[in-house]
Amino acid sequence: QSALTQPASVSGSPGQSITISCTGTSSDVGGYNSVSWYQQHPGKAPKLMIYDVTNRPSGVSNRFSGSKSGNTASLTISGLQAEDEADYYCSSYTTSDTYVFGTGTKVTVL
Amino acid sequence: QVHLQESGPGLVKPSETLSLTCTVSGASISSSDSNWVWFRQPPGKGLEWIGSIKSSGRTYYNPSLKSRVTMSLDTSKSQFSLELRSVTAADTAVFYCARRLTRGRFDPWGQGTLVTVSS
Repeated sequence: QSALTQPASVSGSPGQSITISCTGTSSDVGGYNSVSWYQQHPGKAPKLMIYDVTNRPSGVSNRFSGSKSGNTASLTISGLQAEDEADYYCSSYTTSDTYVFGTGTKVTVL
Repeated sequence: QVHLQESGPGLVKPSETLSLTCTVSGASISSSDSNWVWFRQPPGKGLEWIGSIKSSGRTYYNPSLKSRVTMSLDTSKSQFSLELRSVTAADTAVFYCARRLTRGRFDPWGQGTLVTVSS
């Protein structure tokens, strides 16, 4: 069970849009619409930002959006704000009835 | 509002058993629409799914930990628990519990508890 591949870091200026990729296989990301994204600030618990590929929980800004193409899922943050600076992790359900996380991406607001 | 809170020893000796409990409030732990989940995150590293338990008691474990993990439910106390046996320093991590609503939705999460494995 290998971790999903995310870029180690992504940065952008306030107001810009950034996209974080999450690449897996047909056994996880590509095989199910069960990808979720979590935001984690230092010392805090992860917070659900996107679930089931494209859905946003109540209370999460509409600046966050998710998509998927083949074995790669993506999280886009538009109108980047200072508070968006955090670590982001993707997660996917797998054929083994288990879950795998991404390697994590550090987002820096310049 | 659903709230989860982890509890347990912050220090465990090598080769012993790590035991944690997650107390759930604001939701029924017996509900068939929720599964209950444990994760861990070693210091400075990424997240790892440890396992899930359904309201029926059926469990699903990470293959890499399966031989050492047991999860259980105590519906009378609205709690679910994690046991990780034969721990080593590599098991030092912040442990989180969470609710799974759909296959792609873990929400909310507990605040996490740091467990250090050291003699």
